Amino acid sequence: KAGVTQTPRYLIKTRGQQVTLSCSPISGHRSVSWYQQTPGQGLQFLFEYFSETQRNKGNFPGRFSGRQFSNSRSEMNVSTLELGDSALYLCASSNPSPQETQYFGPGTRLLVL
Amino acid sequence: TQLLEQSPQFLSIQEGENLTVYCNSSSVFSSLQWYRQEPGEGPVLLVTVVTGGEVKKLKRLTFQFGDARKDSSLHITAAQPGDTGLYLCAGARGGYQKVTFGIGTKLQVIP
Repeated sequence: KAGVTQTPRYLIKTRGQQVTLSCSPISGHRSVSWYQQTPGQGLQFLFEYFSETQRNKGNFPGRFSGRQFSNSRSEMNVSTLELGDSALYLCASSNPSPQETQYFGPGTRLLVL
Repeated sequence: TQLLEQSPQFLSIQEGENLTVYCNSSSVFSSLQWYRQEPGEGPVLLVTVVTGGEVKKLKRLTFQFGDARKDSSLHITAAQPGDTGLYLCAGARGGYQKVTFGIGTKLQVIP
């Protein structure tokens, strides 16, 4: 079974731009969670999608949004990028919820200049 | 404020030494997971503990869940350079609620 894939792996943007990250979960997994990882804060939960619906949301500003498609693939978007958005963005898939084993992708490393 | 406090945050030891990493909270969890993350990769699940007082062993790694299900520990015996990585604990509260991660313990095992 193929693992969780994330694209792109690396991204450099400038302040004010927007970015879209993509995540393909393990086949059959319907729950996709997104996390932001920084050295100072660790893994911070962004949101979780299940069957195309946002089921849980973390404490991030509205600039962070996401969606899930009917094939369970998910995207997250960050608008009006700020320097503090530089981080490793991790996607994890599970079934039927994050309470079960989460399988993480390798992450997208975003650098905002 | 971290809901799950991990200590120590950094640990550098010689090969062959033993170590213990702690994960503490004031909240009760239905289960607690331990992950290991290597540079450039996502975290990989090591173990899930669900019963208060439960002890699980994975080769040289021993995981314990506190009796009150508020804390956990990871003990590594005779550490190897291959154990180097970031160790994360994560607490789950059941149902479809989100999982909360600790900040992690960065372990370096020197040959």
